Amino acid sequence: AQSVTQLGSHVSVSEGALVLLRCNYSSSVPPYLFWYVQYPNQGLQLLLKYTSAATLVKGINGFEAEFKKSETSFHLTKPSAHMSDAAEYFCAVSETGRRALTFGSGTRLQVQP
Amino acid sequence: ETGVTQSPTHLIKTRGQQVTLRCSSQSGHNTVSWYQQALGQGPQFIFQYYREEENGRGNFPPRFSGLQFPNYSSELNVNALELDDSALYLCASSLAQGGGHQETQYFGPGTRLLVL
Repeated sequence: AQSVTQLGSHVSVSEGALVLLRCNYSSSVPPYLFWYVQYPNQGLQLLLKYTSAATLVKGINGFEAEFKKSETSFHLTKPSAHMSDAAEYFCAVSETGRRALTFGSGTRLQVQP
Repeated sequence: ETGVTQSPTHLIKTRGQQVTLRCSSQSGHNTVSWYQQALGQGPQFIFQYYREEENGRGNFPPRFSGLQFPNYSSELNVNALELDDSALYLCASSLAQGGGHQETQYFGPGTRLLVL
C-alpha cells in the first residue's frame, strides 16, 4: 500500500530564507509523486510532479523537489521565501495503474516579515 | 480553457438528510475523482469515474455514490448524512491516456459541507 508522511505540520521561515518541506513516501512500485499547494478557502493547485523522467523537478513559483529513491523522499524546497508562499502544502503519491492520489496530512508554511 | 468548477460553494444540512454536489471537469478531460478533506487533514480519495463508470473506490461506505455524465461532469451523492461528513469535498479532473500513465489531477475549489 502507498502512504505519505510529511514531517512537521507547521513550518515558519523568515521572508527571504530557504524553504524546506519534508515528504517521505512508501510505495511497493516506482511511484509518481506530487506537491500541491492550498491557499485558504481554495482548492489544490499543482506545484510540481515527479514521473521518473528526472530526479530534480522544477515547478511553479520557484519551487523544486528532488526524488531520492534510497531515502524514499521527495522534499520541496525554495531558495527564498516570499510572503505569498504562506499556505498549506500537500505531498501526494500514486502508483502506475492506480488512479487515486494518497495525500500526506499537510504542512502549513508561515512566512514572517 | 475552463478549469474545474464545483457547486455549490457552501452547504448546510442536518443529520440524516441527503446531499448532491456537482462538478464540471476541465475542458478535454474525461476522468473525475472525488476527495473528502476533513478540517486539518489531507484529502482522502472517495472514488473516480471514467467514461461514466466507477473506476476505483476508497474506503468510504456505499451511502457515498456518484455519477458521471456524457459531458464528463459528475455528481457526488451522500445519503443519511452524519456529523463526520462535515468536510471540504474536492473534485479533480484529468485526462486518462491508458498505458498505466499517471495523469495529473487538477482540482476545483471545493464544496464545504456542514452537517448539523
